[in-house]
Amino acid sequence: GQNIDQPTEMTATEGAIVQINCTYQTSGFNGLFWYQQHAGEAPTFLSYNVLDGLEEKGRFSSFLSRSKGYSYLLLKELQMKDSASYLCAVRALGSGGGADGLTFGKGTHLIIQP
Amino acid sequence: KAGVTQTPRYLIKTRGQQVTLSCSPISGHRSVSWYQQTPGQGLQFLFEYFSETQRNKGNFPGRFSGRQFSNSRSEMNVSTLELGDSALYLCASRSGARNQPQHFGDGTRLSIL
Repeated sequence: GQNIDQPTEMTATEGAIVQINCTYQTSGFNGLFWYQQHAGEAPTFLSYNVLDGLEEKGRFSSFLSRSKGYSYLLLKELQMKDSASYLCAVRALGSGGGADGLTFGKGTHLIIQP
Repeated sequence: KAGVTQTPRYLIKTRGQQVTLSCSPISGHRSVSWYQQTPGQGLQFLFEYFSETQRNKGNFPGRFSGRQFSNSRSEMNVSTLELGDSALYLCASRSGARNQPQHFGDGTRLSIL
């Protein structure tokens, strides 16, 4: 099976930088996704990594190390609207989640303080 | 382009009943996946359909089933409802390419009394 771990909750200050870590154990790794979910809303796609390295997209960056089973999401210049849950999800082949079903971590609830 | 549409948004049922949820994917998307989201377990994969065929299935009992129609719309059915089935049920669609993300609908919030 698969196991995905991420911190339950983090707090950061408006304008600062925060890094949300995600570790995973899986066989047949086939990509890692980060989603943002505001309370009462659907998850929205943030980033995708399948090769090692950093992917940058505006204020958001995501890093992957396949050998370490590790990823992080970096949020810069934090804004109050960034208060949300951030979900790490792994796609794997031949797992209980199937080739295309995603296995999600339980999410990190990020609180932005003024 | 319209997003993923799920109906109904809210549903209240009692134990033992059955329920059918509907999902219309983004136009052109042929892959539809269903997830259950609860505070304790987070998002859990139910099943995935592609071209009317179930390709993958998560670890849920047989009371949970689904299907996909030729227009890629999908339905999910839960029979003999239990209190623990109370959750947000999310549908996500994706184009055929593996590196494309899944796009989620707003979900159906199911409450079992």
